Amino acid sequence: GAGVSQSPRYKVAKRGQDVALRCDPISGHVSLFWYQQALGQGPEFLTYFQNEAQLDKSGLPSDRFFAERPEGSVSTLKIQRTQQEDSAVYLCASSLEGLGQNIQYFGAGTRLSVL
Amino acid sequence: DAKTTQPNSMESNEEEPVHLPCNHSTISGTDYIHWYRQLPSQGPEYVIHGLTSNVNNRMASLAIAEDRKSSTLILHRATLRDAAVYYCILGPLYGGATNKLIFGTGTLLAVQP
Repeated sequence: GAGVSQSPRYKVAKRGQDVALRCDPISGHVSLFWYQQALGQGPEFLTYFQNEAQLDKSGLPSDRFFAERPEGSVSTLKIQRTQQEDSAVYLCASSLEGLGQNIQYFGAGTRLSVL
Repeated sequence: DAKTTQPNSMESNEEEPVHLPCNHSTISGTDYIHWYRQLPSQGPEYVIHGLTSNVNNRMASLAIAEDRKSSTLILHRATLRDAAVYYCILGPLYGGATNKLIFGTGTLLAVQP
């Protein structure tokens, strides 16, 4: 079956532009996570959805970052007025809910370069 | 959050076993030990997890110390495709809100032909 799909794979933005990154999770996965990975570092948590509800956004670095999952499946991470420090790989992961279901399946990520 | 300590890098020869260590001296009684790996230009992928007993699956084995303060991921026969960054992560086994993964910098494994 299909895994987690992210698009675009690469995005180049001029400083100040808005960008939208898309994540298609595995069908039926209730949980969806966004992570940010800077060069040479491990991924860092941004936000978490349970179905359409955003239950944890503690990792979003500023109010320029916004995520949504309106129908409980596809999610979009939006970054407004991009800055150079936003350059990173943005990873999406999904998982099932419940005991024994904390295996997260990751997409290949979107590499964002802000010039 | 309980932290883990891993070597920055390790080298192995193809078709030889590899033992990747992880120290987690502040592990709590409910923390599982998870291992993920990240191949170049890909997202992380799940490898294995365990609580107290040693675990085996088709990818690897996980050996957990009796006091649970350390563990070792074992690749029985390394291949060139195993070259990746390996992350040791502590956390519960419930899916959901509490289960954001907290990655460190991991161990970069190089496999020589």
